Amino acid sequence: QVQLVQSGAEVKKPGASVKVSCKASGYTFTSYGISWVRQAPGQGLEWMGWISAYNGNTNYAQKLQGRVTMTTDTSTSTAYMELRSLRSDDTAVYYCARDSRGLMAVADAFDIWGQGTMVTVSS
Amino acid sequence: DIQMTQSPSSLSASVGDRVTITCRASQGIRNDLGWYQQKPGKAPKRLIYAASSLQSGVPSRFSGSGSGTEFTLTISSLQPEDFATYYCLQHNSYPRTFGQGTRLEIK
Repeated sequence: QVQLVQSGAEVKKPGASVKVSCKASGYTFTSYGISWVRQAPGQGLEWMGWISAYNGNTNYAQKLQGRVTMTTDTSTSTAYMELRSLRSDDTAVYYCARDSRGLMAVADAFDIWGQGTMVTVSS
Repeated sequence: DIQMTQSPSSLSASVGDRVTITCRASQGIRNDLGWYQQKPGKAPKRLIYAASSLQSGVPSRFSGSGSGTEFTLTISSLQPEDFATYYCLQHNSYPRTFGQGTRLEIK
């Protein structure tokens, strides 16, 4: 069964960092990439960035540049998203989704999503 | 960046109605577009890929069309379980961009 399973909910104080994991199973991890998407309460979907599990290349949303780092561990088929200098407006559900492994679009992009990880930033 | 303009932002309809949601891309994206349904507290679920291909397991009342810059999602006969929020997503280039969403409510 092809699936992405994310780590559990987090509560953080402003200024702290959070690292969310996304473990893939049921497919060849290095044949794809992972995009991260977040959704603030009552709001729409916001793409945060992408990492290729094939070669580690990344592409981050401009508004998050400098605060976000995406990595992968191919030995465990796990992707990670770390967000630093957290603010209250980073409170959101964070999703990982399977994406293409490179620049070329593929039909499988965004077919599989993780269950979401709630990150709450509050003092 | 490619902007995705989705309309309407909300829609009130009755069971059995036919509804259409539109996404317009600010530049051509071939058919690199998907449609997603999201229910409260759940991850988005892909309904349509490559603009017009039905995801396996999705009822045939859902259909997609378009290429380039204009795309539509049509639900031919609304069922009670279809009341949700719908998003389009382009994956032609980075950054990936979503439409603003369409909230489909029961009339």
